[in-house]
Amino acid sequence: DQQVKQNSPSLSVQEGRISILNCDYTNSMFDYFLWYKKYPAEGPTFLISISSIKDKNEDGRFTVFLNKSAKHLSLHIVPSQPGDSAVYFCAAKKDTGRRALTFGSGTRLQVQP
Amino acid sequence: GAGVSQSPRYKVAKRGQDVALRCDPISGHVSLFWYQQALGQGPEFLTYFQNEAQLDKSGLPSDRFFAERPEGSVSTLKIQRTQQEDSAVYLCASSLGPTRSAYREQFFGPGTRLTVL
Repeated sequence: DQQVKQNSPSLSVQEGRISILNCDYTNSMFDYFLWYKKYPAEGPTFLISISSIKDKNEDGRFTVFLNKSAKHLSLHIVPSQPGDSAVYFCAAKKDTGRRALTFGSGTRLQVQP
Repeated sequence: GAGVSQSPRYKVAKRGQDVALRCDPISGHVSLFWYQQALGQGPEFLTYFQNEAQLDKSGLPSDRFFAERPEGSVSTLKIQRTQQEDSAVYLCASSLGPTRSAYREQFFGPGTRLTVL
């Protein structure tokens, strides 16, 4: 049973436009969420996170939105740049107890110049 | 070093061989995690250490998988009698600890790609 789902395996956007990556989760015990970015042959790199007590967190061009009632979060990248082309993983954890992250299957973003 | 390092980066094993994968976490990081990433999937949790103590091994798929971190720094993931379904990228991550906020962001190494023939 996949507790964190990224239903879009790939996304293509034009440089300068907005990229929106989506993530859904089923476990209501999750209360901390993270986005990781992964380039080929490298490990995932932390991008941005959000606690369940917030509905939005912003860091430069990256904004994460959390809708707890819908168990949905999204990552917005504005404006998108070719260097943003990578695989993006959504991850979640319970803020107490088990320390491990539960990952989605990833979305490959391609930003076209 | 500045980040998490893993060795070897690539390992090819014949079915039935034993393998050992090494992880050097960021200096001073209390927590260490191992994840397994199959092709086209996200990383899946294997095991977690806090210093030298293995506090969670619920993700290890079988008793052929064994991990240790004897001095609370370097960790080794050992797979005995490898099988084809063990082929995956094995990722190590560390985080600062011990406070709750310090556990949150995990820093990943580049991974070891294991191919079992």
